[in-house]
Amino acid sequence: DTQMTQSPSSLSASVGDRVTITCRASQSISSSLAWYQHKPGKAPRLLIDKASRLQSGVPSRFSGSGSGTEFTLTISSLQPDDSASYYCLQYLTYPFTFGPGTNAEIK
Amino acid sequence: EVHLVESGGDLVQPGGSLRLSCVASGFTFSDHNMDWVRQTPGRGLEWVARIRSKPNGHTTEYAASVKDRFSVSRDDSKNSLYLQMSSLKTDDTALYYCARSPTGWGPFDIWGQGTMVTVSS
Repeated sequence: DTQMTQSPSSLSASVGDRVTITCRASQSISSSLAWYQHKPGKAPRLLIDKASRLQSGVPSRFSGSGSGTEFTLTISSLQPDDSASYYCLQYLTYPFTFGPGTNAEIK
Repeated sequence: EVHLVESGGDLVQPGGSLRLSCVASGFTFSDHNMDWVRQTPGRGLEWVARIRSKPNGHTTEYAASVKDRFSVSRDDSKNSLYLQMSSLKTDDTALYYCARSPTGWGPFDIWGQGTMVTVSS
Protein backbone atom coordinates (compact mmCIF):
# COMPACT_ATOMS: atom_id res chain seq x y z
CA ASP A 1 0.00 0.00 0.00
CA THR A 2 1.09 3.58 -0.59
CA GLN A 3 1.42 5.43 2.72
CA MET A 4 0.76 9.16 2.80
CA THR A 5 2.20 11.58 5.32
CA GLN A 6 1.32 15.22 5.82
CA SER A 7 2.97 18.11 7.58
CA PRO A 8 2.28 20.05 9.63
CA SER A 9 -0.50 18.23 11.48
CA SER A 10 -1.86 21.61 12.53
CA LEU A 11 -1.15 25.27 11.83
CA SER A 12 -2.29 28.60 13.14
CA ALA A 13 -1.83 31.62 10.89
CA SER A 14 -3.17 35.12 10.43
CA VAL A 15 -5.48 36.39 7.73
CA GLY A 16 -3.36 37.24 4.70
CA ASP A 17 -0.55 34.82 5.54
CA ARG A 18 0.87 32.43 2.97
CA VAL A 19 0.41 28.84 4.12
CA THR A 20 1.98 25.66 2.76
CA ILE A 21 1.01 22.06 3.53
CA THR A 22 3.22 19.20 2.40
CA CYS A 23 2.17 15.68 1.50
CA ARG A 24 4.60 12.83 0.87
CA ALA A 25 3.95 9.42 -0.64
CA SER A 26 5.88 6.28 0.27
CA GLN A 27 6.32 5.51 -3.43
CA SER A 28 5.86 7.41 -6.65
CA ILE A 29 2.25 8.25 -7.48
CA SER A 30 3.07 10.35 -10.54
CA SER A 31 0.53 13.19 -10.40
CA SER A 32 -2.38 11.16 -9.00
CA LEU A 33 -2.76 13.40 -5.96
CA ALA A 34 -5.80 15.32 -4.80
CA TRP A 35 -6.38 17.86 -2.04
CA TYR A 36 -9.60 18.17 -0.02
CA GLN A 37 -10.96 20.76 2.38
CA HIS A 38 -13.19 19.45 5.15
CA LYS A 39 -15.25 21.46 7.60
CA PRO A 40 -17.13 19.86 10.53
CA GLY A 41 -20.59 18.66 9.60
CA LYS A 42 -20.04 19.23 5.89
CA ALA A 43 -19.09 17.05 2.95
CA PRO A 44 -15.41 17.13 2.01
CA ARG A 45 -14.71 19.45 -0.90
CA LEU A 46 -12.33 18.60 -3.72
CA LEU A 47 -9.94 21.52 -4.22
CA ILE A 48 -7.26 20.16 -6.56
CA ASP A 49 -6.72 17.00 -8.61
CA LYS A 50 -3.81 15.81 -10.76
CA ALA A 51 -1.58 17.49 -8.16
CA SER A 52 -2.13 20.98 -9.53
CA ARG A 53 -5.46 21.28 -11.36
CA LEU A 54 -7.73 23.69 -9.52
CA GLN A 55 -11.37 22.63 -9.48
CA SER A 56 -14.08 24.89 -10.82
CA GLY A 57 -15.30 27.35 -8.21
CA VAL A 58 -12.26 27.01 -5.95
CA PRO A 59 -10.64 30.37 -5.17
CA SER A 60 -7.40 31.06 -7.00
CA ARG A 61 -5.54 31.58 -3.72
CA PHE A 62 -5.35 27.78 -3.55
CA SER A 63 -2.66 26.08 -5.63
CA GLY A 64 -1.01 22.68 -5.78
CA SER A 65 2.33 21.46 -7.04
CA GLY A 66 4.57 18.42 -7.08
CA SER A 67 4.87 15.01 -8.65
CA GLY A 68 6.30 11.63 -7.78
CA THR A 69 6.45 11.53 -3.99
CA GLU A 70 6.35 15.14 -2.77
CA PHE A 71 3.45 17.54 -3.11
CA THR A 72 2.38 20.88 -1.68
CA LEU A 73 -0.86 22.76 -1.19
CA THR A 74 -0.40 26.50 -0.89
CA ILE A 75 -2.92 29.09 0.23
CA SER A 76 -1.44 32.37 -0.95
CA SER A 77 -3.44 34.65 1.32
CA LEU A 78 -5.27 32.89 4.14
CA GLN A 79 -8.90 33.90 4.63
CA PRO A 80 -11.27 33.32 7.56
CA ASP A 81 -13.29 30.87 5.44
CA ASP A 82 -10.19 28.67 5.05
CA SER A 83 -10.42 27.44 8.64
CA ALA A 84 -10.77 23.71 8.03
CA SER A 85 -8.95 20.39 7.82
CA TYR A 86 -7.02 19.62 4.66
CA TYR A 87 -6.30 16.11 3.37
CA CYS A 88 -4.28 14.74 0.51
CA LEU A 89 -5.35 11.59 -1.34
CA GLN A 90 -3.42 9.31 -3.67
CA TYR A 91 -5.64 7.70 -6.27
CA LEU A 92 -3.10 5.95 -8.45
CA THR A 93 -3.41 2.47 -6.93
CA TYR A 94 -5.75 0.54 -4.68
CA PRO A 95 -6.20 0.95 -1.83
CA PHE A 96 -6.61 4.69 -2.26
CA THR A 97 -4.98 6.31 0.75
CA PHE A 98 -5.35 9.65 2.50
CA GLY A 99 -2.87 11.68 4.45
CA PRO A 100 -3.64 12.10 8.17
CA GLY A 101 -4.78 15.68 7.68
CA THR A 102 -3.76 19.22 8.60
CA ASN A 103 -5.97 21.34 10.83
CA ALA A 104 -5.76 24.99 9.77
CA GLU A 105 -6.79 27.63 12.31
CA ILE A 106 -7.04 31.37 11.85
CA LYS A 107 -5.33 33.38 14.58
CA GLU B 1 -27.66 20.28 -8.43
CA VAL B 2 -25.60 17.19 -7.67
CA HIS B 3 -26.43 15.50 -4.37
CA LEU B 4 -25.55 12.35 -2.46
CA VAL B 5 -27.59 11.47 0.63
CA GLU B 6 -26.57 8.60 2.89
CA SER B 7 -28.79 6.76 5.35
CA GLY B 8 -28.89 3.62 7.44
CA GLY B 9 -26.32 4.42 10.10
CA ASP B 10 -27.12 3.10 13.56
CA LEU B 11 -25.83 1.66 16.82
CA VAL B 12 -25.08 -2.05 16.37
CA GLN B 13 -23.46 -4.69 18.53
CA PRO B 14 -20.13 -6.29 17.63
CA GLY B 15 -20.70 -9.15 15.24
CA GLY B 16 -23.87 -7.56 13.92
CA SER B 17 -24.85 -6.41 10.44
CA LEU B 18 -26.02 -3.17 8.90
CA ARG B 19 -26.88 -1.89 5.43
CA LEU B 20 -26.07 1.64 4.38
CA SER B 21 -27.73 3.36 1.44
CA CYS B 22 -26.84 6.38 -0.65
CA VAL B 23 -29.24 8.06 -3.06
CA ALA B 24 -27.82 10.19 -5.86
CA SER B 25 -29.43 13.01 -7.79
CA GLY B 26 -28.47 15.61 -10.35
CA PHE B 27 -26.24 13.44 -12.54
CA THR B 28 -26.26 10.23 -14.60
CA PHE B 29 -25.55 7.80 -11.78
CA SER B 30 -24.86 4.80 -14.00
CA ASP B 31 -21.92 6.54 -15.69
CA HIS B 32 -19.88 6.94 -12.51
CA ASN B 33 -17.73 4.77 -10.30
CA MET B 34 -18.99 5.10 -6.73
CA ASP B 35 -17.13 4.68 -3.47
CA TRP B 36 -17.57 4.43 0.28
CA VAL B 37 -15.12 6.32 2.50
CA ARG B 38 -15.18 6.42 6.29
CA GLN B 39 -13.81 8.80 8.89
CA THR B 40 -12.81 8.03 12.43
CA PRO B 41 -11.23 10.36 14.99
CA GLY B 42 -8.29 8.02 15.44
CA ARG B 43 -7.58 6.91 11.88
CA GLY B 44 -8.75 9.88 9.81
CA LEU B 45 -10.18 9.22 6.35
CA GLU B 46 -10.10 5.65 5.03
CA TRP B 47 -11.28 4.45 1.63
CA VAL B 48 -13.54 1.42 2.10
CA ALA B 49 -14.89 0.14 -1.22
CA ARG B 50 -15.56 0.95 -4.86
CA ILE B 51 -18.09 -0.30 -7.37
CA ARG B 52 -17.39 0.64 -10.92
CA SER B 53 -19.87 2.05 -13.38
CA LYS B 54 -22.03 -0.02 -15.71
CA PRO B 55 -19.64 0.61 -18.66
CA ASN B 56 -16.87 -0.76 -16.42
CA GLY B 57 -18.80 -3.88 -15.53
CA HIS B 58 -19.94 -3.05 -11.99
CA THR B 59 -16.74 -4.67 -10.67
CA THR B 60 -15.68 -4.01 -7.09
CA GLU B 61 -12.62 -3.24 -4.98
CA TYR B 62 -12.26 -3.35 -1.18
CA ALA B 63 -9.89 -2.20 1.50
CA ALA B 64 -8.17 -5.14 3.19
CA SER B 65 -9.73 -4.18 6.53
CA VAL B 66 -13.26 -4.84 5.24
CA LYS B 67 -12.74 -7.44 2.53
CA ASP B 68 -14.89 -10.55 3.08
CA ARG B 69 -17.07 -8.65 5.61
CA PHE B 70 -18.47 -5.77 3.55
CA SER B 71 -20.19 -5.89 0.17
CA VAL B 72 -20.81 -2.89 -2.08
CA SER B 73 -23.63 -2.92 -4.62
CA ARG B 74 -25.71 -0.51 -6.66
CA ASP B 75 -29.08 -0.22 -8.34
CA ASP B 76 -28.71 2.15 -11.26
CA SER B 77 -32.48 2.14 -11.85
CA LYS B 78 -32.89 3.69 -8.38
CA ASN B 79 -29.76 5.87 -8.48
CA SER B 80 -28.71 4.08 -5.33
CA LEU B 81 -25.51 2.77 -3.80
CA TYR B 82 -25.38 0.29 -0.92
CA LEU B 83 -22.89 -1.04 1.60
CA GLN B 84 -23.80 -4.30 3.32
CA MET B 85 -21.69 -4.62 6.44
CA SER B 86 -21.45 -7.84 8.45
CA SER B 87 -19.31 -9.22 11.28
CA LEU B 88 -18.98 -5.65 12.48
CA LYS B 89 -16.13 -4.74 14.82
CA THR B 90 -15.67 -1.81 17.16
CA ASP B 91 -13.00 -0.55 14.73
CA ASP B 92 -15.74 -0.10 12.11
CA THR B 93 -17.23 2.73 14.16
CA ALA B 94 -17.05 5.72 11.84
CA LEU B 95 -18.88 8.31 9.80
CA TYR B 96 -19.49 6.66 6.42
CA TYR B 97 -19.54 8.80 3.30
CA CYS B 98 -20.56 7.84 -0.19
CA ALA B 99 -18.56 9.57 -2.88
CA ARG B 100 -18.67 9.89 -6.66
CA SER B 101 -15.70 9.67 -8.94
CA PRO B 102 -15.68 11.46 -12.28
CA THR B 103 -16.25 9.58 -15.52
CA GLY B 104 -12.95 8.15 -16.66
CA TRP B 105 -10.39 8.23 -13.85
CA GLY B 106 -9.96 10.65 -10.99
CA PRO B 107 -10.48 11.27 -7.30
CA PHE B 108 -13.82 11.52 -5.50
CA ASP B 109 -15.36 14.78 -6.70
CA ILE B 110 -18.71 14.78 -4.89
CA TRP B 111 -19.37 13.53 -1.36
CA GLY B 112 -22.44 13.13 0.79
CA GLN B 113 -22.61 14.39 4.36
CA GLY B 114 -22.24 10.95 5.86
CA THR B 115 -24.11 8.51 8.08
CA MET B 116 -22.81 7.44 11.49
CA VAL B 117 -22.20 3.80 12.36
CA THR B 118 -21.42 2.95 15.97
CA VAL B 119 -20.38 -0.58 16.87
CA SER B 120 -20.61 -1.09 20.61
CA SER B 121 -22.04 -3.50 23.15
